[in-house]
Amino acid sequence: TQLLEQSPQFLSIQEGENLTVYCNSSSVFSSLQWYRQEPGEGPVLLVTVVTGGEVKKLKRLTFQFGDARKDSSLHITAAQPGDTGLYLCAGHSSGNTGKLIFGQGTTLQVKP
Amino acid sequence: SQTIHQWPATLVQPVGSPLSLECTVEGTSNPNLYWYRQAAGRGLQLLFYSVGIGQISSEVPQNLSASRPQDRQFILSSKKLLLSDSGFYLCAWSPGYGYTFGSGTRLTVV
Repeated sequence: TQLLEQSPQFLSIQEGENLTVYCNSSSVFSSLQWYRQEPGEGPVLLVTVVTGGEVKKLKRLTFQFGDARKDSSLHITAAQPGDTGLYLCAGHSSGNTGKLIFGQGTTLQVKP
Repeated sequence: SQTIHQWPATLVQPVGSPLSLECTVEGTSNPNLYWYRQAAGRGLQLLFYSVGIGQISSEVPQNLSASRPQDRQFILSSKKLLLSDSGFYLCAWSPGYGYTFGSGTRLTVV
């Protein structure tokens, strides 16, 4: 069974601080995605990483896929209150059904 | 454009009552469709997925069932709800690498 372990589960920081969220597995994933979710809404896709070692940037967010495609990280520089939300990593399971395996999520609170 | 609709947004149902949640996708054909359930502030648990009309795969044994009567329609049902069925239910489809989610249904079983 493929599992994704996300850490930390909860993070509360002040505006302007940097933070990193980790997503780890013992399994290899063909691709990995990061989503952001606000209360009462569905998750929204932020980025997809496919190649081992790949780094993608989305404004102040930097996403990295591990060389072995078993782990990923999300780094936020100079966090803003608007970054507050639940961050979820998800990986495509083996096979061609397109099923996504989700981590347990990281709740980020950025205080002004 | 491609959109996904999910309703109702909120639902309060008594224990033992039936359930029907509907999800429809527009702007695409033969999509892979998924039902997920989410506990408060936590990750998503895959309940069912479908790769075509009448094709349903169940991921976890439970009190729920799913059906796909039309290409772009996915329905989540229960004959008798349990308290443990409470949660946030999300429908999704896969246009490529990532998922597009519906806005979710908050189900409270009382």
